[in-house]
Amino acid sequence: DIQMTQSPSSVSASVGDRVTITCRASQGINSWLTWYQQKPGKAPKLLIYTASSLQSGVPSRFSGSGSGTVFTLTISSLQPEDFATYYCQQADSFPYTFGQGTKLEIK
Amino acid sequence: EVQLVESGGGLVQPGGSLRLSCAASGFIFSSYWMTWVRQAPGKGLEWVANIKQAGGEKYYVDSVKGRFTISRDNAKNSLYLQMNSLRADDTAVYYCARDRKYYDRSGSHQDGLDYWGQGTLVTVSS
Repeated sequence: DIQMTQSPSSVSASVGDRVTITCRASQGINSWLTWYQQKPGKAPKLLIYTASSLQSGVPSRFSGSGSGTVFTLTISSLQPEDFATYYCQQADSFPYTFGQGTKLEIK
Repeated sequence: EVQLVESGGGLVQPGGSLRLSCAASGFIFSSYWMTWVRQAPGKGLEWVANIKQAGGEKYYVDSVKGRFTISRDNAKNSLYLQMNSLRADDTAVYYCARDRKYYDRSGSHQDGLDYWGQGTLVTVSS
């Protein structure tokens, strides 16, 4: 199975900050990488697919990049509603696997 | 409006069985792959299984192979997860999700899970 490792596991930031989360795959997955946002008690929400495509309705302050084994999710200017947990997920081969999550907290 | 509503969760003893259902509406259910994802209390997301549009292809995470069966009834716009031989580590919120998996000339691809249900809690405990 492909292992997905996110870093950091948690990060504290302030409104207006720029934040970058990294996701590393244990083997190459081309661009088959998806990012989700999850708030407590809620279902995950799709943010980015195929590494860099913004899901409809998602604010443009979210962006994704990378290919192969290293990917990043960047939030250009944090808003209060962005404090949540973020997960990457590979869709290159079964079983699809998620990273362990990155909790974004208010500083 | 796309809606996915899970049901069937509850408390079950180790070794027991449970059948989860996911009722879909607001889209052409038979045109999409569908997926189950679970989340143990306080833990991260785990992909569990998915199923092709007509049900001819199914994939599972190793930890549930031979115990769980994913199925669908396109006439009823419903997705199911039959869970047998349940263990304590199956305790989780189970989500169904619409899967934007597709095939083209270069192979199999996925553009994410774009709609999710609210989840149903399964607790395996004596």
